[in-house]
Amino acid sequence: EVQLLESGGDLVQPGGSLRLSCAASGFTFSSYTLNWVRQAPGKGLEWVSSISGNGGSAYYADSVKGRFTISRDNSKNTLFLQMNSLRAEDTALYYCAKGWLSRGDFDYWGQGTLVTVSS
Amino acid sequence: QSALTQPPSASGSPGQSVTISCTGTSSDVGGYNYVSWYQQHPGKAPKLMIYEVSKRPSGVPDRFSGSKSGNTASLTVSGLQAEDEADYYCSSSAGSNNLVFGTGTKVTVL
Repeated sequence: EVQLLESGGDLVQPGGSLRLSCAASGFTFSSYTLNWVRQAPGKGLEWVSSISGNGGSAYYADSVKGRFTISRDNSKNTLFLQMNSLRAEDTALYYCAKGWLSRGDFDYWGQGTLVTVSS
Repeated sequence: QSALTQPPSASGSPGQSVTISCTGTSSDVGGYNYVSWYQQHPGKAPKLMIYEVSKRPSGVPDRFSGSKSGNTASLTVSGLQAEDEADYYCSSSAGSNNLVFGTGTKVTVL
């Protein structure tokens, strides 16, 4: 059974940093692109970032480019999102999702971890 | 990249059909056959219901169907059931390793 479990969400001040993690199981981790998608409270879904199976290619939404860094540790089946220079508008539930960015079909999702940016 | 446009709400009685539209541009919906649809119940993670415009993942009832014409994609739920009441989001490839989601539609089963 595929499982994705996010962690690391917290309350952080504007300008601060946070690192999210997503522990995966139930599939061959290194074979799949992984993604971060966020949802602000009461709002819709927004694609944030994706990383290829071997970690060699990473992609970002314009809204986070230059501030967020996606990475993965294939030896530990874990996905990361390093978030710097956080803004109030980054407040959201952050989901980890398995699937192909080029097709946009994310077939498995975690339950999300909440990031709140506020002073 | 702007979000794809969906109607805020749609509704139907049990057993009826409801169709949700998802309008983009030639740079996303109209340019690629990579439209997906997600169902999200309150407090839950999204669930993939349709991918590549009209394909259903294993386990998704055939009451759910997708189509596309030009810059607009559509999701139809036939034979509405109480458990279909949820938010629905479309997504589309927008080229250059970019993905855009729709604004979301709340489906109510009357």
